[in-house]
Amino acid sequence: AAGVIQSPRHLIKEKRETATLKCYPIPRHDTVYWYQQGPGQDPQFLISFYEKMQSDKGSIPDRFSAQQFSDYHSELNMSSLELGDSALYFCASSLHGSSYNEQFFGPGTRLTVL
Amino acid sequence: AQRVTQPEKLLSVFKGAPVELKCNYSYSGSPELFWYVQYSRQRLQLLLRHISRESIKGFTADLNKGETSFHLKKPFAQEEDSAMYYCALEETSGSRLTFGEGTQLTVNP
Repeated sequence: AAGVIQSPRHLIKEKRETATLKCYPIPRHDTVYWYQQGPGQDPQFLISFYEKMQSDKGSIPDRFSAQQFSDYHSELNMSSLELGDSALYFCASSLHGSSYNEQFFGPGTRLTVL
Repeated sequence: AQRVTQPEKLLSVFKGAPVELKCNYSYSGSPELFWYVQYSRQRLQLLLRHISRESIKGFTADLNKGETSFHLKKPFAQEEDSAMYYCALEETSGSRLTFGEGTQLTVNP
């Protein structure tokens, strides 16, 4: 079965650069969630979208923005990167209204800021 | 604000021994509780949810509202159970997940 796809899987950037992370949800899933997991830390919720509209916002820095497109894929744009942004970024998708609204996770994008 | 606590970062048991991974939460409402598992180099995947009261791979978890706990148990651990386990809370169906710090379980032969 198709799973959540994230690209790239690994990304290395310099301080003050920008990065774009992409998430392709499971087909027919209409909700996307972004989480950030720092080294040795638990995943922290950043932001979510339902039907291309922002549905919830967590601890996402103002330097970050995200959107969901008409095909339901989502992109997380990160500007003025800082060393502390180095983390694993997970995307999850779900189908609104389905049983339990289970979130299915992607493999993550590991971002390293040098 | 909601919070999930997993007091043990590391847990090591021998094969065939019982295992219990602790999870406590703080939330004023009636949350939905989950256990997610992450095997080595694999993605997070749902292990079980309290609302379905099911047993997956021999694991069970009971929601104790009085103690605000959702401990994960298995009577006989297997080597393939070695993984990182996260307890997570969802305020309402489909909302964000709040994760605990995770417990790395190692089952020794």
